[in-house]
Amino acid sequence: ETGVTQTPRHLVMGMTNKKSLKCEQHLGHNAMYWYKQSAKKPLELMFVYSLEERVENNSVPSRFSPECPNSSHLFLHLHTLQPEDSALYLCASSQGTELIYGYTFGSGTRLTVV
Amino acid sequence: KQEVTQIPAALSVPEGENLVLNCSFTDSAIYNLQWFRQDPGKGLTSLLLIQSSQREQTSGRLNASLDKSSGRSTLYIAASQPGDSATYLCAVPGYSGAGSYQLTFGKGTKLSVIP
Repeated sequence: ETGVTQTPRHLVMGMTNKKSLKCEQHLGHNAMYWYKQSAKKPLELMFVYSLEERVENNSVPSRFSPECPNSSHLFLHLHTLQPEDSALYLCASSQGTELIYGYTFGSGTRLTVV
Repeated sequence: KQEVTQIPAALSVPEGENLVLNCSFTDSAIYNLQWFRQDPGKGLTSLLLIQSSQREQTSGRLNASLDKSSGRSTLYIAASQPGDSATYLCAVPGYSGAGSYQLTFGKGTKLSVIP
């Protein structure tokens, strides 16, 4: 158990579906992140939340909508995705967004858009 | 903009061998450097976090060193085992263009330890 739990582990969805990814951290951290990992590409930051406020939206299309209801939970709402959005979506947390802190990652959600 | 490079991209070694993975970064003004392990299709497991004031960190058979001035870090794995087979990623935090922070990752080194 890494302290950061992501559900579901695998998700297959059609382009017209709406689904949500969930992330929960049990570490008492104040910052949470969504990353996307596509084949043969470095990890790409999508969103940053600090104390439940979004502090970064890294030019992510609006078909991805994050939600952070409290400092322990982070959601990524998905709608009208494209096949190229198929990837491993990773959630991470850190004590804060200050540069001195390390990150803890979850196990990821493998998303396939058909 | 920070760039992180990892060499080699892939490495295959016989069991029991000691090995070194390399990571270089372009902007030496870093606060820390973190090494992760990723098994196929899985998330990232943090191995070692080296703060900028430290020269090295050790955890079991793993030793990571950091040379800020030259923009380099190495991950040394002693007496490698088949269970060490995975992709190893290094990452450094830095300012993004939007004024907050992000980890910049290398593309990783895929390690295969042959029994």
